[in-house]
Amino acid sequence: DIQMTQSPSSLSASVGDSVTITCRASQSINNYLNWFQQKPGKAPKLLIYGASILQRGVPSRFSGGGSGADFTLTINSLQPEDFATYFCQQTYTPPWTFGQGTRVEIK
Amino acid sequence: EVQLVESGGGLVKPGGSLRLSCAASGFTFSSYTMNWVRQAPGKGLEWVTSISTGSSYIYYADSVKGRFAISRDNAKNSLFLQMNSLRAEDTAVYYCARVHIYSSGWSASDIWGQGTMVTVSS
Repeated sequence: DIQMTQSPSSLSASVGDSVTITCRASQSINNYLNWFQQKPGKAPKLLIYGASILQRGVPSRFSGGGSGADFTLTINSLQPEDFATYFCQQTYTPPWTFGQGTRVEIK
Repeated sequence: EVQLVESGGGLVKPGGSLRLSCAASGFTFSSYTMNWVRQAPGKGLEWVTSISTGSSYIYYADSVKGRFAISRDNAKNSLFLQMNSLRAEDTAVYYCARVHIYSSGWSASDIWGQGTMVTVSS
C-alpha cells in the first residue's frame, strides 16, 4: 500500500498569513493527488485534484504543487473560514490512502 | 441539487451486522464510481471501499476485506455497505462519496454525504 505522510500535523497562523502543508507519498503517484478541507462535524470538501487543479468554486488563494511523490498545499492570505483540517489523498492505485491530516489553527 | 444522504447507522454489539444505505439525487448515479470513507472519532479519514459504475470493479481496504461488502442498485440510485463481524475499531462516521473522473484522467471524491455514525460497543 502507498503511505501518505503529511507535515506538519498542526500549525498555528494568523489571518492574512500564508501557510504551506506538505504531503509525501511512499512512491511516485504521478500527480494522482487530491487535497480536502474538513471542518468539525462536516464532510470533507474537495479543494484540489491532479495535484494542482483547483476544484470549481474553490478560492484562488488555495494552490497545489509538486510532482512524483512530494506535494504541497499553499493557502495565501488565510481567511477566518480557512481554519480547518486538511487531508491529502492518493488515487494512483487502491487502496486510495489519505494522509493523517494537518490542523490549521488560529494563532 | 446534487446530494448524497446516508442512513442505517447506529449502535451494534461486537460481532453484529449493519447495512448502510446512501441515496443519490441530482445526478446520473449510474455514471459514477462510488466510495465509502470512514472517520473514527477524533481521527483521520480512511478509505473503505469502492465500486465501479456497473459493479465490475470492487476494492476494499485490508481492514474490512472479508467482512464488508459494497453494492449498488443503479435503478434505485442507491449505494449500500453491508458490514458483518463488526469490531470496536469499526466505530466511525461513514461517508458515501461520488468519484468524479475528470477529462484529464484524474479522479477525486467531489460530492460527499453528511455521514452516518456507526458505534460498535457492548
